[in-house]
Amino acid sequence: DTGVSQNPRHKITKRGQNVTFRCDPISEHNRLYWYRQTLGQGPEFLTYFQNEAQLEKSRLLSDRFSAERPKGSFSTLEIQRTEQGDSAMYLCASSSVQHEQFFGPGTRLTVL
Amino acid sequence: GQQLNQSPQSMFIQEGEDVSMNCTSSSIFNTWLWYKQEPGEGPVLLIALYKAGELTSNGRLTAQFGITRKDSFLNISASIPSDVGIYFCAGRLRYGGSQGNLIFGKGTKLSVKP
Repeated sequence: DTGVSQNPRHKITKRGQNVTFRCDPISEHNRLYWYRQTLGQGPEFLTYFQNEAQLEKSRLLSDRFSAERPKGSFSTLEIQRTEQGDSAMYLCASSSVQHEQFFGPGTRLTVL
Repeated sequence: GQQLNQSPQSMFIQEGEDVSMNCTSSSIFNTWLWYKQEPGEGPVLLIALYKAGELTSNGRLTAQFGITRKDSFLNISASIPSDVGIYFCAGRLRYGGSQGNLIFGKGTKLSVKP
C-alpha cells in the first residue's frame, strides 16, 4: 500500500491552455474525491466517484472542469481554457466503507 | 453553503505547552475528522469521531465530538517542534448533501518555539 499518488506534483501553464491531472487511489478504496485548496483556506469539495460512477459535483466545478474514473481505478481531472483563478492545489482522496478519506500530496497548479 | 468556524486562526506556543483548538458549525454533522497538513503536502488524518460525546486519543492528541453534534475540539499535550503545521477540522453532514464529501474549516496554523 503506497498511499494515494498524484501526478504531476506541479504544473505551470499559460492562461487558456488545457491541463490534466491524474490520481491513483489506494488500491482497495472504491471511493475517490477531488478537492481544491487555495492559499489560506481548507480544501473545498469538487466531485466524488464511487467506483466508476460520478455521484456528485460541486457548484465549484464549472463546465470547464471534467473528471473521469473510467475503470473505477485511477481518475483524471481536466481543466479546459485555464484562468488565473484556477491556480490552486488540487487534492485527491480515496476511501472505503472501512476507511476514512486519505489524501494524496496534491498537484499545485499555477496559471500565468 | 455550510461553513465550519475554526479557531484560533494561528497559535505561537513554547515547546512543552498544551494546545487547544476547536470547530463549530450551525449544521449538525455525523462525523468529525481532524487532519494535519504540512507545506506542499496533502492533509494527513489524525483522528476520526463518529458519535456525539465521543472522546478519542491518538498519542498526545485528544479530540471530542460535541454533544450537540455541532462542534468538536482537538487538544495536543506537551507540544514538540514536529507538531508545527496547519490543523484542519472536517465534518460530514447528517442531513442532505453527499454522504461522502467533507466540509473543512479554514485551519489553525501552529508554530512551536523550541
